[in-house]
Amino acid sequence: DIQMTQSPSSVSASVGDRVTITCRASQGITRRLGWYQQKPGEAPKLLIYATSSLQTGVPSRFSGSRSGTDFTLTISSLQPEDFATYYCQQATDFLFTFGPGTKVDIK
Amino acid sequence: QVQLRESGPGLVKPSETLSLTCTVSGYSISSGYYWGWIRQPPGKGLEWIGIIYHRGNTYYIPSLKSRVTISVDTSKSQFSLKLSSVTAADTAIYYCAHAEGFGELTPYYFDYWGQGTLVTVSS
Repeated sequence: DIQMTQSPSSVSASVGDRVTITCRASQGITRRLGWYQQKPGEAPKLLIYATSSLQTGVPSRFSGSRSGTDFTLTISSLQPEDFATYYCQQATDFLFTFGPGTKVDIK
Repeated sequence: QVQLRESGPGLVKPSETLSLTCTVSGYSISSGYYWGWIRQPPGKGLEWIGIIYHRGNTYYIPSLKSRVTISVDTSKSQFSLKLSSVTAADTAIYYCAHAEGFGELTPYYFDYWGQGTLVTVSS
């Protein structure tokens, strides 16, 4: 099975900061990766699919990229509503795996 | 706009079967590609449980495969989850979701989610 790791597990940042979260797959998954944002008491919300495609309605300050088996979610200028937990997720051969999550909180 | 809503008992006794239903609106479940279940224990991360194609093909996480059944009823625009022989470790928020696979032949992300329902396993 493909395992996903995320780093950091948590990050403290200020409004306006650039935040980068990395997700690493235990083996190659091509571009089959999505990123989700989850706020307390809410369902996860899809931000990015296919590694770098922005879901409709998601602000352009969110972006995704890939280098080999490393995937990155970048928030270019952190806004108050962006404080949340972020998960990566892949699926290969009908097996879905989520990363453990990265909590972004206020510095 | 696709909307999903989970329903079912919020309390299940140990060793019994957890049963949840997801009702889909705003979209034809018959043409909706794949539909899935994901759970989240309180304070923890997300765990995928399984998905079903609208024609009935199912795929499950190996660790739960012996206890899980996902089915679909297109006439009611619903799909369901059954998890047998539950223990306290199955206490979680259970989400239903629509699975998509833009640019690929198989699904690989979830674009629409229900609000989730908390199921507690306790006697």
